[in-house]
Amino acid sequence: QSVLTQPPSVSAAPGQKVTISCSGSSSNVGNNYVSWYQQLPGTAPKLLMYENDKRPSGIPDRLSGSKSGTSATLGITGLQTGDEADYYCGTWDSSLSAWVFGGGTNLTVL
Amino acid sequence: QVQLVQSGAEVKKPGASVKVSCKVSGYSLTELPIYWVRQAPGKGLEWMGGFDPEDGEIIYAQKFQGRVTTTEDTSTDTAYMEVNSLRSEDTAVYYCTTTGVEGRPTWFAPWGQGTLVTVSS
Repeated sequence: QSVLTQPPSVSAAPGQKVTISCSGSSSNVGNNYVSWYQQLPGTAPKLLMYENDKRPSGIPDRLSGSKSGTSATLGITGLQTGDEADYYCGTWDSSLSAWVFGGGTNLTVL
Repeated sequence: QVQLVQSGAEVKKPGASVKVSCKVSGYSLTELPIYWVRQAPGKGLEWMGGFDPEDGEIIYAQKFQGRVTTTEDTSTDTAYMEVNSLRSEDTAVYYCTTTGVEGRPTWFAPWGQGTLVTVSS
């Protein structure tokens, strides 16, 4: 069981919007920055969003991040088949003194 | 631009040890904290440990304490992670990664390409 809870899977049609949630507690999401990672099959994770809502250079603005209380959300609009991947949230957990990841969400673009 | 290049796949027997390397280019290893994350087949990401700037020492996730050791060779800008007493559950892809944050990490990038470690008798 992961410390951070993500839905195992989400799906939407090309061109549509999808959101992926990441739920935690006050010891992690509630009081620390959240980052998001995309993992395409057979490849290493790639940073998509950092410090809740900041996009690294090269990440398109159809991706967005937000945080409210102990939950964070990654949003992707204008879905493309190339967006099919696993998505992970992560943050520092002050109680565990360790970094924690969500269990991952598999995105299918139907 | 930072790049992390890891050593090749390993096959080990239960009870053995494995040492994975992560060579840094584009920056000096002395400027970069290195962290290790693993991913068992079909499973999610699992943080193993890395440098904690607030304590000035290496910290490990509780489940890896006593069985995992990370070291660095600054002369070659190479970080190492050794896992002892391997068991089948340690079969995974092991990644090294870093951060540009001063202080505790708030994100990880870039990542090494991963090293598959297979534990099998």
